[in-house]
Amino acid sequence: GENVEQHPSTLSVQEGDSAVIKCTYSDSASNYFPWYKQELGKGPQLIIDIRSNVGEKKDQRIAVTLNKTAKHFSLHITETQPEDSAVYFCAASSGGGADGLTFGKGTHLIIQP
Amino acid sequence: NAGVTQTPKFRILKIGQSMTLQCTQDMNHNYMYWYRQDPGMGLKLIYYSVGAGITDKGEVPNGYNVSRSTTEDFPLRLELAAPSQTSVYFCASSYARVWQFFGPGTRLTVL
Repeated sequence: GENVEQHPSTLSVQEGDSAVIKCTYSDSASNYFPWYKQELGKGPQLIIDIRSNVGEKKDQRIAVTLNKTAKHFSLHITETQPEDSAVYFCAASSGGGADGLTFGKGTHLIIQP
Repeated sequence: NAGVTQTPKFRILKIGQSMTLQCTQDMNHNYMYWYRQDPGMGLKLIYYSVGAGITDKGEVPNGYNVSRSTTEDFPLRLELAAPSQTSVYFCASSYARVWQFFGPGTRLTVL
């Protein structure tokens, strides 16, 4: 089955700086890669996703890049703000079928004022 | 729309007890999922359903059962609670296989 590795487990950046979180996946059949943000005591919230036929996607301060050859994808947050502090999860979904997502272990992003 | 709702928010069980975690969505989504989240770990899929009357096992189904009698509801049943089932449980739904929306979670402790 699919295996998703996520790094780093904790990331501390100064407010206003950029943050990058990286994930690798194992199943070359995976074709959908969402990113979720989870605040304390809440469920994960989808913030951006990318499909395997696209190399990059951007939404305001958030962008995701995908390298299918290397089987890795990354989340980029620019001009970080205190409200960006949360745990971020990457996930991958294998092609075909309706089974759920395989998640990375999460990155705790801390924005230092 | 309320989205995905889960009850209860918290529960403490004794070993061997049983309970049902409720999940309801009002978005008319065909797909529904149950995940568990252990500390410092990502979410792991327990069971999923592609529509009423259809369920299938995920990565960690042992000790759990599900049913899907309606589009809206997808309850998760624990028959004989064990300490290993102490976790936070999340229900999710989606219209297609993508864009999963998660509920607020149920924090379960088995003592």
